[in-house]
Amino acid sequence: DQQVKQNSPSLSVQEGRISILNCDYTNSMFDYFLWYKKYPAEGPTFLISISSIKDKNEDGRFTVFLNKSAKHLSLHIVPSQPGDSAVYFCAASAEWPDSGSARQLTFGSGTQLTVLP
Amino acid sequence: SAVISQKPSRDICQRGTSLTIQCQVDSQVTMMFWYRQQPGQSLTLIATANQGSEATYESGFVIDKFPISRPNLTFSTLTVSNMSPEDSSIYLCSVRGAVLNTEAFFGQGTRLTVV
Repeated sequence: DQQVKQNSPSLSVQEGRISILNCDYTNSMFDYFLWYKKYPAEGPTFLISISSIKDKNEDGRFTVFLNKSAKHLSLHIVPSQPGDSAVYFCAASAEWPDSGSARQLTFGSGTQLTVLP
Repeated sequence: SAVISQKPSRDICQRGTSLTIQCQVDSQVTMMFWYRQQPGQSLTLIATANQGSEATYESGFVIDKFPISRPNLTFSTLTVSNMSPEDSSIYLCSVRGAVLNTEAFFGQGTRLTVV
């Protein structure tokens, strides 16, 4: 049972245009969401996050939108650049049962973004 | 942020053998995490390694198959035992950042192929 779903395994976008990556979740206990970017032969790197008390968070070319009622979040990249070509993972966080420290992280299966020059 | 060095970066192993993956962090951390990413799949948490205590394994993962060591606050190892082709995956170690103890930093991963 996938609690975090990225239904598009791949996305191709022209350089300079907007890239929109989508993520859906089912667990209403998730209250913090993150996006990671992964290049081949490297580990995922943190990109941007959003708390459930917000509906938008922006950092330069990257904006994450959260629609709690729809249990949906999206990552917008504007303008897209060839260097953005990577796999993007959505992750959701909830309090870890019986733990006062680190929180549980659940990842989606990733979307391969290709930005065409 | 944390810098995590993981090795080996890749290996090809014979079925029935074992491989130990090492993870070194540039700062002391309480919890270290081991993930597996099977082809086309999400990152799945294998276990949480706490210094001074036994690792905590997620459903579907057992200590006999994935023994973990955590001898100090900067180092951990994951062993993939008695390997089969189904164990072919990318294995990643991870630590958490300070923000809600959620933001994860990852090593570069170990790409394991079992033949």
